[in-house]
Amino acid sequence: SQQGEEDPQALSIQEGENATMNCSYKTSINNLQWYRQNSGRGLVHLILIRSNEREKHSGRLRVTLDTSKKSSSLLITASRAADTASYFCALPGGGYQKVTFGTGTKLQVIP
Amino acid sequence: DTGVSQDPRHKITKRGQNVTFRCDPISEHNRLYWYRQTLGQGPEFLTYFQNEAQLEKSRLLSDRFSAERPKGSFSTLEIQRTEQGDSAMYLCASSLSTGSRDNEQFFGPGTRLTVL
Repeated sequence: SQQGEEDPQALSIQEGENATMNCSYKTSINNLQWYRQNSGRGLVHLILIRSNEREKHSGRLRVTLDTSKKSSSLLITASRAADTASYFCALPGGGYQKVTFGTGTKLQVIP
Repeated sequence: DTGVSQDPRHKITKRGQNVTFRCDPISEHNRLYWYRQTLGQGPEFLTYFQNEAQLEKSRLLSDRFSAERPKGSFSTLEIQRTEQGDSAMYLCASSLSTGSRDNEQFFGPGTRLTVL
C-alpha cells in the first residue's frame, strides 16, 4: 500500500483567505479521499474523488485530481477559524478496502 | 448519537499491564477497522473485519495485540503486556460495503492510551 505525501506540512492563513493543500502519490489509484481531524470532532470524511473525476465540490471545498501528475489538491475557500485542523489524504490500500493516510497538512486559520 | 463510539476515551496504565478497548460501529456497517495514530502522524492501519471475520492484519499488530468482533457488531482490541511504545490514539472506523470500490470510513473519537 502507498502513502500520500501532503504539502505543505503546515499552513497559517487569515480568516477569509483561501487555503490550498496538495497530496502526491506514486502508483495508480481508484480513488482518493480527504479527511479532516480536529480536537473537537475527531477524524471526519470530507470528499472522495474517483480516478475518472477531475474535480469535485462540497460546500466551500474543492478537490481536484490529476492522474497524469499523480496528485490531488484540496482548496478551502473563504476560510473560517473553525477550519483549523489537520487535513489528510487517504489512498486505497489494496485488498479489503483499507486506506492509507498521509502525514497531513496542519492548517491554522487566524481570526 | 448514531455514530461510531469508543470506550474508554482515555486510558492510563502501567507498563506490563493488559488493556482492552471497545468499539461500537454504526449499526448497519459490516466493515470495521482499527487504526493507531501517534502525535504528528496520520492514522496507521492495524486490522480490518468484515462482519465477524478478521480479514487483514498489519505487520504493526504484534502478537501482543488481539482484536475480535464476535458477533459482527462491536469489536474489542486488547493489548497484552503494554509497553511505552504502545502509547497512542487508537481509532476505530466502520463502513458499509456497497459493492463499489468507494470506501468512506466513519471514525470514532478514539481511545488515547498512555503507558507509564
